[in-house]
Amino acid sequence: DTAVSQTPKYLVTQMGNDKSIKCEQNLGHDTMYWYKQDSKKFLKIMFSYNNKELIINETVPNRFSPKSPDKAHLNLHINSLELGDSAVYFCASSYDPGASDTQYFGPGTRLTVL
Amino acid sequence: RKEVEQDPGPFNVPEGATVAFNCTYSNSASQSFFWYRQDCRKEPKLLMSVYSSGNEDGRFTAQLNRASQYISLLIRDSKLSDSATYLCVVTPIQGAQKLVFGQGTRLTINP
Repeated sequence: DTAVSQTPKYLVTQMGNDKSIKCEQNLGHDTMYWYKQDSKKFLKIMFSYNNKELIINETVPNRFSPKSPDKAHLNLHINSLELGDSAVYFCASSYDPGASDTQYFGPGTRLTVL
Repeated sequence: RKEVEQDPGPFNVPEGATVAFNCTYSNSASQSFFWYRQDCRKEPKLLMSVYSSGNEDGRFTAQLNRASQYISLLIRDSKLSDSATYLCVVTPIQGAQKLVFGQGTRLTINP
C-alpha cells in the first residue's frame, strides 16, 4: 500500500496556466508538508500543515496556495505558472511537527512549465 | 553561506570500498540531524538519524560533532545498491519541524 501518494506524477503545462497537485497519506499522520526540489537538486520546504492548520510558510510567492481539507490530504494549487516553477514537488508527512520525527515522502510530481 | 553544505561529488568507488561523506551546518542551535538517501528520480528516504554519541546501523556509521558543526556518514563494504545521492539534513531548534537539506552527495559504486 502506498503511504504517501501524489497526483499527477508528471505535469507539463504552459506559462500562465493554473494547476493543482494532490497529496494523500494513509499513515494516520497529523503533519503534512510540501517541498520543492529545483534543477540543482536542492530540496526546500514550502509549507507545513498540522491538523489542517498552516504552521510553516517559507517565503513562497502567493501564487502558491496549499489547502488541507482534512489531515490526510494536502493539495497545492499554483496560479499563473512561471518558467521558474519547473521543479519536482514532494509531499511528505510525519506524526507530529516535533523535530525528531521521521518524515515520509511521496514519489514527487515533476512539473514542467513551457 | 548555505545552512547545510555538502560536497556534491560525484564519488565513484569500487564495490567493497569504504567511503565517507561530510557535511557542515551553519546554525549552532540546530536540534536534530539525519542522513536521507535519494535514488535517481525517486523520493528521499530516511537512512538514519545522527546522535552526538555516534550511531551505527549495519555497514553505516553516522557521527555528529556539535563543536565543529560537522556530520559524517561512513559506509563500509559498499554494495552496488548503495549508489544514490546522500542528503545531509538538519532541523533548526525553534518552531515546527523544518528539514533543511544539503545539496546531497552523489555516490556511484562500480563493480
